[in-house]
Amino acid sequence: GAVVSQHPSWVICKSGTSVKIECRSLDFQATTMFWYRQFPKQSLMLMATSNEGSKATYEQGVEKDKFLINHASLTLSTLTVTSAHPEDSSFYICSARDSQASTDTQYFGPGTRLTVL
Amino acid sequence: QKEVEQNSGPLSVPEGAIASLNCTYSDRGSQSFFWYRQYSGKSPELIMSIYSNGDKEDGRFTAQLNKASQYVSLLIRDSQPSDSATYLCAVNMDSNYQLIWGAGTKLIIKP
Repeated sequence: GAVVSQHPSWVICKSGTSVKIECRSLDFQATTMFWYRQFPKQSLMLMATSNEGSKATYEQGVEKDKFLINHASLTLSTLTVTSAHPEDSSFYICSARDSQASTDTQYFGPGTRLTVL
Repeated sequence: QKEVEQNSGPLSVPEGAIASLNCTYSDRGSQSFFWYRQYSGKSPELIMSIYSNGDKEDGRFTAQLNKASQYVSLLIRDSQPSDSATYLCAVNMDSNYQLIWGAGTKLIIKP
């Protein structure tokens, strides 16, 4: 149980284009999902908290107009990197919390590696 | 400032020995504590969660929590080369389910 998938697993795009990353909880409902970014040899950095049916909460320094988050169902959250630039190249990872669990354990997706040329 | 601190390592341990990983946190009121393992190029995977003072064992892994001293540790018995990874400590310090993450300790198990 508690499986989270991400799609795509990797993507290469040209500078200026937009990229959408999907995060799905496969066997549980997740009213809360989290989006992280990780640069090589660095720690996880929380970008935003995604809440089903409401606006995402962004961490300080994360541009909400550049990183669009939509959490339209209990099992799907999407992150769209708009007008991507080479500095946006990173490993993007989502996690999800089981809404019906008594614990606050986060289960991670396998991540999406974005390369912007 | 809510913080979770870990020694970045690398921590080198011989195969078969016990690896001990430590983590301290700033918020005395924290209730939930997690250890995740992250292999290079992969996403984190949950190893253990602990909520009460004392020890919690799962196979070769034992998590230890001491709320009075604000530290949580992870012991890995009979360390294997496949245990070589970065171990992340995470703490829930408030009610919005966000985890505060340590920077991770790189563990190397030498054959």
